[in-house]
Amino acid sequence: DTAVSQTPKYLVTQMGNDKSIKCEQNLGHDTMYWYKQDSKKFLKIMFSYNNKELIINETVPNRFSPKSPDKAHLNLHINSLELGDSAVYFCASSHRGQGAQRPSHEQFFGPGTRLTVL
Amino acid sequence: AQKVTQAQTEISVVEKEDVTLDCVYETRDTTYYLFWYKQPPSGELVFLIRRNSFDEQNEISGRYSWNFQKSTSSFNFTITASQVVDSAVYFCALSDFFSGGYNKLIFGAGTRLAVHP
Repeated sequence: DTAVSQTPKYLVTQMGNDKSIKCEQNLGHDTMYWYKQDSKKFLKIMFSYNNKELIINETVPNRFSPKSPDKAHLNLHINSLELGDSAVYFCASSHRGQGAQRPSHEQFFGPGTRLTVL
Repeated sequence: AQKVTQAQTEISVVEKEDVTLDCVYETRDTTYYLFWYKQPPSGELVFLIRRNSFDEQNEISGRYSWNFQKSTSSFNFTITASQVVDSAVYFCALSDFFSGGYNKLIFGAGTRLAVHP
């Protein structure tokens, strides 16, 4: 009963290829995120979607295109992969706050996808 | 600006020692949330605790305890009687809110804790 799942867990590919990472959550959350963890372990937000709508785009190169077919899924497609894209990509989900209420819920993370670009 | 600083890059202790991981934050918000996550060698991110800015009570959960002090903008994490299984990278994070009820997490750089037998 995995709460947030990602596929694949490992992805090794050549520079210039296009690849996708999939994420699914069964927690009933309405907001999903992609975070990138680089080789120095720095974790940084990339995108956030709420009910299929893009909410956050943190100046990520447009080679990265998230897609949310429904609120339980958020996929990440990467075109023309570069060496610098090598990282661990984490999907996460949470509840959005209601009205003026600030969201207090923690974000639940998937197991991560280790992408290696050769 | 929203920022989280974990000044300790690596800490090495011997089993059964107590260890404190420091976290200092900066925020423009009066209402905010702070989090600690654990990343063991297997790589997943495990949620440990959430604390809101209005609750300065210290929290204890087994061997783990957290000290939140608004006056010094710190949210430190102490492991008592450390064990080898505590070896991991620990991240402190701050919620960064947007209008519409959305937020993202701002993470510190992490502290790698190595507990030796």
